[in-house]
Amino acid sequence: DAKTTQPPSMDCAEGRAANLPCNHSTISGNEYVYWYRQIHSQGPQYIIHGLKNNETNEMASLIITEDRKSSTLILPHATLRDTAVYYCIVRVVRGSSNTGKLIFGQGTTLQVKP
Amino acid sequence: NAGVTQTPKFQVLKTGQSMTLQCAQDMNHEYMSWYRQDPGMGLRLIHYSVGAGITDQGEVPNGYNVSRSTTEDFPLRLLSAAPSQTSVYFCASSPGHNYGYTFGSGTRLTVV
Repeated sequence: DAKTTQPPSMDCAEGRAANLPCNHSTISGNEYVYWYRQIHSQGPQYIIHGLKNNETNEMASLIITEDRKSSTLILPHATLRDTAVYYCIVRVVRGSSNTGKLIFGQGTTLQVKP
Repeated sequence: NAGVTQTPKFQVLKTGQSMTLQCAQDMNHEYMSWYRQDPGMGLRLIHYSVGAGITDQGEVPNGYNVSRSTTEDFPLRLLSAAPSQTSVYFCASSPGHNYGYTFGSGTRLTVV
């Protein structure tokens, strides 16, 4: 699985957009970018995933660069409840026996401040 | 749907004891996984399964066994508990290869 690099921590003002970067320069053609978050000691929560097109759902937007070597998760209007550790994960989703494998890195601790 | 149910929520074991952490999902998900999370650390994959009868090792499989006899259940067995296995254990499930995983609320295990 391709490795990802994320900043260890970021701050964001409440109500502003939070932009969380992720580098995955060794990503392969059959690997998708997934984002999860973990609030305090709860189980991780799936946010969004994508291959090469930008994706949006009710929680966030995912912007993937054209060369697929990096991506940005955007929380459009961050609230205090978005304070969490955010994980960017590259995962094989086809053509491999490892499709069930989801490996977490260290993530980015996002602190949303009033 | 109850989602992913883990039992027990808390457990204290003595060194050398064995036990089984239970994980059940009622969403007919094919994929299931077990993770451990040590205090202040990230999640590490123990074992995973892509369907009934199919399991594979993750990053830290030593000291743990799994089996997947049904789609719904994916128990994790600690063979001989050690203090190094003190951790929070999370189970997760997913419909398949192009979907996200849903996580349970965790089992907090202390080995003394």
